[in-house]
Amino acid sequence: GQNIDQPTEMTATEGAIVQINCTYQTSGFNGLFWYQQHAGEAPTFLSYNVLDGLEEKGRFSSFLSRSKGYSYLLLKELQMKDSASYLCAVRDDTDKLIFGTGTRLQVFP
Amino acid sequence: EAGVVQSPRYKIIEKKQPVAFWCNPISGHNTLYWYRQNLGQGPELLIRYENEEAVDDSQLPKDRFSAERLKGVDSTLKIQPAELGDSAVYLCASSLTASSYEQYFGPGTRLTVT
Repeated sequence: GQNIDQPTEMTATEGAIVQINCTYQTSGFNGLFWYQQHAGEAPTFLSYNVLDGLEEKGRFSSFLSRSKGYSYLLLKELQMKDSASYLCAVRDDTDKLIFGTGTRLQVFP
Repeated sequence: EAGVVQSPRYKIIEKKQPVAFWCNPISGHNTLYWYRQNLGQGPELLIRYENEEAVDDSQLPKDRFSAERLKGVDSTLKIQPAELGDSAVYLCASSLTASSYEQYFGPGTRLTVT
């Protein structure tokens, strides 16, 4: 079966660092994606990992461990505009994207 | 470059009525996806097109849902008849090819069935 788990909600303070975890069990693995989705808007692509390790892109970093079926998204220097849902998604062996339920992040001043 | 365009943005209908959603993908993108996103959930793939061919429609409830992508560009998703449980946001996305790592999502159509 396909299963992707991530926390439902998280809160953090402006300027802080937050880590959003994602664990997965899927039929095949062709990469892991993180998307950001503001309320009422379309998901937008943040990052893609296919090999183990850390990918850094500005304030956002994403880590992958394929042997553990685990990823995290790290957000540094949090800003109010980072309040959004963060979706973890895995591409399976048919190139289909399987999404988690999303983690709703609220950033407080 | 224009993004993925969807219309309408919002639709309210009574149950048992038909409804249709339209999507225009990014120019040159061969692969088009329709997703359904229920409140508080991640998107769930309904159907994927590569050019004009539906290559994955295993999640499409075929008794009431239909889709088409004529000429391999625009696509229409139809529900007939709609049920209360169909209330959701219907997202269209496109990518250059099926193996492209980035999918670009449209703003979605929020459907409310009363």
